[in-house]
Amino acid sequence: QKEVEQNSGPLSVPEGAIASLNCTYSDRGSQSFFWYRQYSGKSPELIMFIYSNGDKEDGRFTAQLNKASQYVSLLIRDSQPSDSATYLCAVRARGTSYGKLTFGQGTILTVHP
Amino acid sequence: DTGVSQNPRHKITKRGQNVTFRCDPISEHNRLYWYRQTLGQGPEFLTYFQNEAQLEKSRLLSDRFSAERPKGSFSTLEIQRTEQGDSAMYLCASSLGKGTATNEKLFFGSGTQLSVL
Repeated sequence: QKEVEQNSGPLSVPEGAIASLNCTYSDRGSQSFFWYRQYSGKSPELIMFIYSNGDKEDGRFTAQLNKASQYVSLLIRDSQPSDSATYLCAVRARGTSYGKLTFGQGTILTVHP
Repeated sequence: DTGVSQNPRHKITKRGQNVTFRCDPISEHNRLYWYRQTLGQGPEFLTYFQNEAQLEKSRLLSDRFSAERPKGSFSTLEIQRTEQGDSAMYLCASSLGKGTATNEKLFFGSGTQLSVL
């Protein structure tokens, strides 16, 4: 079992729809959870981070964390073609140093007009 | 430009040659990280520095890899006797690293794409 696993995708949604991206992790004691966006040929860019169970909203983005189920998700409301990218889930495991993250393989999102 | 800077952007080398990459972090950031990313995968942690001290190295990092951060500013990553399996994007990131959760956000550079022929 991979330490951080994302739904394989690719995910295609129409413009204006809600895109839902999912991630599960194996270490129950994981501390910090991040969503990065990576455009093709570019470096990852942090869009959301969450530490506590529940929802965290930032503009059109909502991160949801359920530690009991070892599950973190990212919802993108009113999806735009500019949201088309690879979304990477990253986790900092218990006892590891800040910044030492384990990434999932990424989910490719395509938003079509 | 106040972001993380990496040079070169691309490097093509022949198997067996040595290569060196450079990373300049955001100036006030104490922590500097190296990650490696292959096509279709997420980045994998390689090593990190707190100021000039290299505090952790991944088991992925063979003896052919060495990283330095003299004076706690820029960092270099050297790969000796390159192999085709070393072909990847090498990403550098930095963070404030002041030990609080809000300061653990990573800011990535544009990466160095290495191709070993």
